[in-house]
Amino acid sequence: DVKVTQSSRYLVKRTGEKVFLECVQDMDHENMFWYRQDPGLGLRLIYFSYDVKMKEKGDIPEGYSVSREKKERFSLILESASTNQTSMYLCASSFSRDTQYFGPGTRLTVL
Amino acid sequence: GQQVMQIPQYQHVQEGEDFTTYCNSSTTLSNIQWYKQRPGGHPVFLIQLVKSGEVKKQKRLTFQFGEAKKNSSLHITATQTTDVGTYFCADSSYKLIFGSGTRLLVRP
Repeated sequence: DVKVTQSSRYLVKRTGEKVFLECVQDMDHENMFWYRQDPGLGLRLIYFSYDVKMKEKGDIPEGYSVSREKKERFSLILESASTNQTSMYLCASSFSRDTQYFGPGTRLTVL
Repeated sequence: GQQVMQIPQYQHVQEGEDFTTYCNSSTTLSNIQWYKQRPGGHPVFLIQLVKSGEVKKQKRLTFQFGEAKKNSSLHITATQTTDVGTYFCADSSYKLIFGSGTRLLVRP
């Protein structure tokens, strides 16, 4: 079974802090994605990566950056957290345009 | 940019009633994927439709892709409490573009 893990299920940070969210997949998938999920807005793509050291902006990249130094790991970075970044963050991976496998999510609260 | 819209946003049904969610795109869809997210869980892949007019069934779930590949639907026959969750469609082009989801609640 494909396994996608995220470093934390719940995280509380203060405004202005630098926040790292980590995602690891064990299926050698090329593609990895970061979404945020907010009530009534569905899943919105922040960034994705189709190869090591490659990244592309999604629909809402502002205030975020990403890092993919190894194929299995994709990190989402909030350089200076703000309260409007309080959300559920979901990581996913896939092979080509195939099924996306999601991690359990990280619920981030920024105070 | 492309928009994928889902209706209704929310539906509450009596157990045993049928349920349908509709997915509409402002542009032609490449392929359509459907996901289910249980309360407190993460989205889980259900199915992918590729061909115009395609219909696929999974037990009580029927998935349909429109002839013009601009819409899709998911129909659940005789809902059960285990069907509770949010159903998302997504256009699987270069990246997945998700609809806003339909939240289904089932009264026992």
